[in-house]
Amino acid sequence: NAGVTQTPKFQVLKTGQSMTLQCAQDMNHNSMYWYRQDPGMGLRLIYYSASEGTTDKGEVPNGYNVSRLNKREFSLRLESAAPSQTSVYFCASRRGGGDGGYTFGSGTRLTVV
Amino acid sequence: LAKTTQPISMDSYEGQEVNITCSHNNIATNDYITWYQQFPSQGPRFIIQGYKTKVTNEVASLFIPADRKSSTLSLPRVSLSDTAVYYCLVGDRAAGNKLTFGGGTRVLVKP
Repeated sequence: NAGVTQTPKFQVLKTGQSMTLQCAQDMNHNSMYWYRQDPGMGLRLIYYSASEGTTDKGEVPNGYNVSRLNKREFSLRLESAAPSQTSVYFCASRRGGGDGGYTFGSGTRLTVV
Repeated sequence: LAKTTQPISMDSYEGQEVNITCSHNNIATNDYITWYQQFPSQGPRFIIQGYKTKVTNEVASLFIPADRKSSTLSLPRVSLSDTAVYYCLVGDRAAGNKLTFGGGTRVLVKP
C-alpha cells in the first residue's frame, strides 16, 4: 500500500518554463490537496479537490492550475514558473468523515532559477 | 476556519514529557482538533485527534478542556527522534474540508 505518491521528487526549472507535478493515492480517498511549504514556514493550501470532478482554490492559488484526473490522481501545473514558486510541494488525500486524517506524500522540491 | 496559536519552539531532554498548548478561541461546534508531526524533508503525519476531554493513543495524549478554546498535546518520555515540528489544526471532519496549517511548534529534544 503506497499511500500518496508524488513525482518528481526534485526539479529545477528556469523562469518561464512550465511543468506538472503528479500525485496519486491508492487509498480510495475522496478529497485531495496541494500544499506548498517555504523554508521554515508552515504549509499553505494552493488548491484542493473535495471529490472527483471538483476543484477549489486555497490560500495561494495564483500561478497554479490543477486537474483532478480521476479519483486517484490530482495534478498541479505551473504554467510559467517564477522564482517565488521555489518551494516544497506536498500532495495530501483524505477519505472524508471518520477521523478526518490527512495522508501526505513525501513532497516535491522545486527550484526555479 | 478557526485560527490557532502555538508556541514557536520548545526545547526538552530525552525522557521528559513535552506538553504543547494550542489556543483556538474561535473553535466551532463541529470542529475537531487534530495534531500532526513533521520531520525535515517529509510530509506531515497524523498523530492524534479529539473533540473534547482526553484522547490517548500509542504515541500521545490530547487534553481538551470543557470550553474547547485550547488543547494540549502531551508527548510522554520523548526521545531524540521526537525532534520535529508539531502542528495543531482545527476544523470539521466533513468530506472535502480544507485545513489551514499555522506555523507549528518546533520541538528540539536534547540528549
